[in-house]
Amino acid sequence: NAGVTQTPKFRVLKTGQSMTLLCAQDMNHEYMYWYRQDPGMGLRLIHYSVGEGTTAKGEVPDGYNVSRLKKQNFLLGLESAAPSQTSVYFCASSAGLAGYLYEQYFGPGTRLTVT
Amino acid sequence: RKEVEQDPGPFNVPEGATVAFNCTYSNSASQSFFWYRQDCRKEPKLLMSVYSSGNEDGRFTAQLNRASQYISLLIRDSKLSDSATYLCVVIGGHNQGGKLIFGQGTELSVKP
Repeated sequence: NAGVTQTPKFRVLKTGQSMTLLCAQDMNHEYMYWYRQDPGMGLRLIHYSVGEGTTAKGEVPDGYNVSRLKKQNFLLGLESAAPSQTSVYFCASSAGLAGYLYEQYFGPGTRLTVT
Repeated sequence: RKEVEQDPGPFNVPEGATVAFNCTYSNSASQSFFWYRQDCRKEPKLLMSVYSSGNEDGRFTAQLNRASQYISLLIRDSKLSDSATYLCVVIGGHNQGGKLIFGQGTELSVKP
């Protein structure tokens, strides 16, 4: 049982390049989330999904797109990377809407640098 | 004003010390409260939920004060392994879709 995995672990992009981050979970969770973490800012929600085929915007969605074609996977895309998107990206999943009954489980993170 | 604000760190304490972290939240409609722990360059992990009546888990005690909108975490008899960043997390009210809102974290360093 791997939990939540993220691919890749590290990436360096040039400004304007595109890439896709993959998140996979094997816990049959309905809810999946993408966060970014910057120094002094805490984690901020980018996009989330409440089930296969659905996505919704979080706090900082601009410059990102997501897709949830399969229940176990949640993809985060950067169409034209900018230096402001240099960050650590965490994916998370939960069985239901986060609360006392539904802990969010996080992946190990992807460290992205945009030069 | 940030929705969730934590004590600025870092906290440097000797082994065996008692240390307390505070966190304030701005939305009175917030539903649920948690403390997460994040080790250096790793993912956050749930440390404990925070209940209205206060709750304890071994050396860790969490308190919630809804009237003053703050949450606290007390660590007794600090161990070297407690060194980490502690994140205060609040679940927003219904108008925020029940999403997790994170504080910026408070770093704790426990020294021998």
